[in-house]
Amino acid sequence: DTGVSQDPRHKITKRGQNVTFRCDPISEHNRLYWYRQTLGQGPEFLTYFQNEAQLEKSRLLSDRFSAERPKGSFSTLEIQRTEQGDSAMYLCASSYLQKNPQSDEKLFFGSGTQLSVL
Amino acid sequence: GENVEQHPSTLSVQEGDSAVIKCTYSDSASNYFPWYKQELGKRPQLIIDIRSNVGEKKDQRIAVTLNKTAKHFSLHITETQPEDSAVYFCAAMETSYDKVIFGPGTSLSVIP
Repeated sequence: DTGVSQDPRHKITKRGQNVTFRCDPISEHNRLYWYRQTLGQGPEFLTYFQNEAQLEKSRLLSDRFSAERPKGSFSTLEIQRTEQGDSAMYLCASSYLQKNPQSDEKLFFGSGTQLSVL
Repeated sequence: GENVEQHPSTLSVQEGDSAVIKCTYSDSASNYFPWYKQELGKRPQLIIDIRSNVGEKKDQRIAVTLNKTAKHFSLHITETQPEDSAVYFCAAMETSYDKVIFGPGTSLSVIP
């Protein structure tokens, strides 16, 4: 499978614990996004990377959330001291962005990690 | 930053009828507008997209129109089929930051 893969698919944790999710993008893609999705809502932007550089982190995201993409390939999203409100589907997406000639920002999503905080 | 609104939140149509979903965006500099379909329990998948230099784009039963002046764009599905039932998300790409912002979604039900 050459699509975007995420691990784990499901994570159940107790409030206050730390969790880490992994995303492996499509290999030639230089952009990687993290979104959060709750039931009945659209994907909410969390952060994104161009190669290994983190371009932006949502202002709505607390300091408990951190993401890395150390070698410009896979990425990890860590949530420290989880809260019940963190329960959601965490989606990763990747794309190939080229400025000249300009490419389309076609996002390819992974299957997500469903987090449940008890 | 960009804000994308979407209407209606739910839509039911009879099989064979047309469905229209409308979105508005706030950032006049946004220049790329994709639409994603998400079936229950599955990942969002791109179904059609449009750039701001184009007013309309069609792909078989699906079409998207864009009105830059009014900052709104719409998805049109003709001859709907039960397999079109899903949640549809519009999105806009912020030119200044090049990130993609999604609308809240429309749950479409096609009744056989």
